[in-house]
Amino acid sequence: DIQMTQSPSSVSASVGDRVTITCRASQDIGSWLAWYQQKPGKAPKLLIYVASSLQSGVPSRFSGSRSGADFTLTISSLQPEDFATYYCQQANSFPPWTFGQGTKVEI
Amino acid sequence: EVQLVESGGGLVKPGGSLRLSCAASGFSFSGYDFNWVRQAPGKGLEWVSCITGSSYLYYADSVRGRFTISRDNAKNSLYLQMNNLRAEDTAFYYCARRDGYNAFDFWGQGTLVTVSS
Repeated sequence: DIQMTQSPSSVSASVGDRVTITCRASQDIGSWLAWYQQKPGKAPKLLIYVASSLQSGVPSRFSGSRSGADFTLTISSLQPEDFATYYCQQANSFPPWTFGQGTKVEI
Repeated sequence: EVQLVESGGGLVKPGGSLRLSCAASGFSFSGYDFNWVRQAPGKGLEWVSCITGSSYLYYADSVRGRFTISRDNAKNSLYLQMNNLRAEDTAFYYCARRDGYNAFDFWGQGTLVTVSS
């Protein structure tokens, strides 16, 4: 199984900050990576697919990138509604689909 | 509007059974693969099972032999039959549609399964 390692596990930030979350795959997954946002008591929401494509309706302050086996989710200017937990998911090798352990963005 | 609505969760004793349902609307159900993803309270996301549009079935090692995924295209519905439930199966269970990029583009609201004596 492909292991996904996210860092950091939590980050404290303020409104307007630039926030970066990293995800590393245990083996090559090409650009087959997705990012999700989950707010308390809600289902995850797809933000980014194939590493850098923005899902329809997602604000442009969210972006994704890839550098080798490292993937990055960037929030360019943190908004109050962005405080949530973010997960990466490898979309290359199945089964199983695997997720990172999550990164909580908090005030 | 795409909608996925789960039902069927509840409290069950260890060794018991439960059947989850996921009702879909707003799109052509038969053309998509569907997954069940679970989340233990306060924990991360864990993929559980997948059924393809052609009804190929896949399971996580942790549930293989105990859980059965199925679909009824005529009813636009997805199911998860869970048998021999264990305390570690306690979680919110989400149904999720897989898109053409292997991402889960739509999710249900989740249904809570609690396994406890």
